[in-house]
Amino acid sequence: QQQVKQSPQSLIVQKGGIPIINCAYENTAFDYFPWYQQFPGKGPALLIAIRPDVSEKKEGRFTISFNKSAKQFSLHIMDSQPGDSATYFCAASRSRRGFQKLVFGTGTRLLVSP
Amino acid sequence: DVKVTQSSRYLVKRTGEKVFLECVQDMDHENMFWYRQDPGLGLRLIYFSYDVKMKEKGDIPEGYSVSREKKERFSLILESASTNQTSMYLCASSLGQSNSPLHFGNGTRLTVT
Repeated sequence: QQQVKQSPQSLIVQKGGIPIINCAYENTAFDYFPWYQQFPGKGPALLIAIRPDVSEKKEGRFTISFNKSAKQFSLHIMDSQPGDSATYFCAASRSRRGFQKLVFGTGTRLLVSP
Repeated sequence: DVKVTQSSRYLVKRTGEKVFLECVQDMDHENMFWYRQDPGLGLRLIYFSYDVKMKEKGDIPEGYSVSREKKERFSLILESASTNQTSMYLCASSLGQSNSPLHFGNGTRLTVT
């Protein structure tokens, strides 16, 4: 049972474009929504995260938009660069004291062409 | 910087072998995790540990066990490897706080023939 659905599976944009990756969740108890970025040969690393009490969060060129009523959230990359080419995973968890048990989406492979 | 080190980058084992995947973190993190990564399936949690000798099943624990005898080390054990356990295995650690970020190792690519 997949609790976090991610789309698209892959995405190609030109340099300067704005790729958008979408995720939808089912469990209304989720209260933490991070995005992880993974480069080839490396483990994923936290990129940006949001809690459901806000509708948008920006960190540099990366923005999360969150729609609690629709149970959806998305990642936007402004002015994308070839160095942003990576696999992106959305995730969700329900806060528990002392640790988080993340449920990941299936990943989106992004290619930013020069 | 947090460093999570997985002992092997590539591993090839035969069906039925007992396989140990080792993971060490150097930041005194309370929590450690084992995920497997498969194309089209994302990352799926196998087991995690929130303290020494403490463990909890993740979403796909069947065919696996874990050991955490020391805080910095978390081992994943495949009791009798099968071909459907061919995968990329990722270890991660985090502080013992809600929503503390996961720090991943670079993975072990296991092939079971």
